[in-house]
Amino acid sequence: EPEVTQTPSHQVTQMGQEVILRCVPISNHLYFYWYRQILGQKVEFLVSFYNNEISEKSEIFDDQFSVERPDGSNFTLKIRSTKLEDSAMYFCASSGQGGSPLHFGNGTRLTVT
Amino acid sequence: AQKVTQAQTEISVVEKEDVTLDCVYETRDTTYYLFWYKQPPSGELVFLIRRNSFDEQNEISGRYSWNFQKSTSSFNFTITASQVVDSAVYFCALSEAQRGGSEKLVFGKGTKLTVNP
Repeated sequence: EPEVTQTPSHQVTQMGQEVILRCVPISNHLYFYWYRQILGQKVEFLVSFYNNEISEKSEIFDDQFSVERPDGSNFTLKIRSTKLEDSAMYFCASSGQGGSPLHFGNGTRLTVT
Repeated sequence: AQKVTQAQTEISVVEKEDVTLDCVYETRDTTYYLFWYKQPPSGELVFLIRRNSFDEQNEISGRYSWNFQKSTSSFNFTITASQVVDSAVYFCALSEAQRGGSEKLVFGKGTKLTVNP
């Protein structure tokens, strides 16, 4: 069964550094998402992306965050200047046409020191 | 605003017991979707079920069953004859369709299920 792939599985970075989290969504999916889960807490929506533009973003997704689909397969989340509170599990997800369910990747655990 | 409440923070059962995880939701939309995801200790989110607001039929998949009741805004999940491998955090989620057809999920805080041998 096709799956969403995220790399790396764990990223450690220093406060103030830029970090890029990478995702390869399911190939025929059209909608792409990033969600975040701070340790021990619920999963929170960050942003949705469709037709090469952001369709919705949450208040968490401030100017420090950006998303990009640089080619036909990758979908990236960039955090420009990481803060300690950005430490979390970041999940990429994708969905197909007509409201098919979201499929999540295995997540990237980001640790900001 | 949409909201999902999972009142049970943690549940502990002994193997082979049945267990029900509760989920209550709030939305003003008439069209919405409800989900359950499983998060095992390894951390990934595993899709279990998606149900649209117009389909109130209960669903059974092996040892899993779901009870959707619009009248009480609940979408409860029952595991029959629980097994140790069922130990995980289970999340209930709600979505409304966004413009262009994408979905934004609102998650509950999750219920941590521990199944003891």
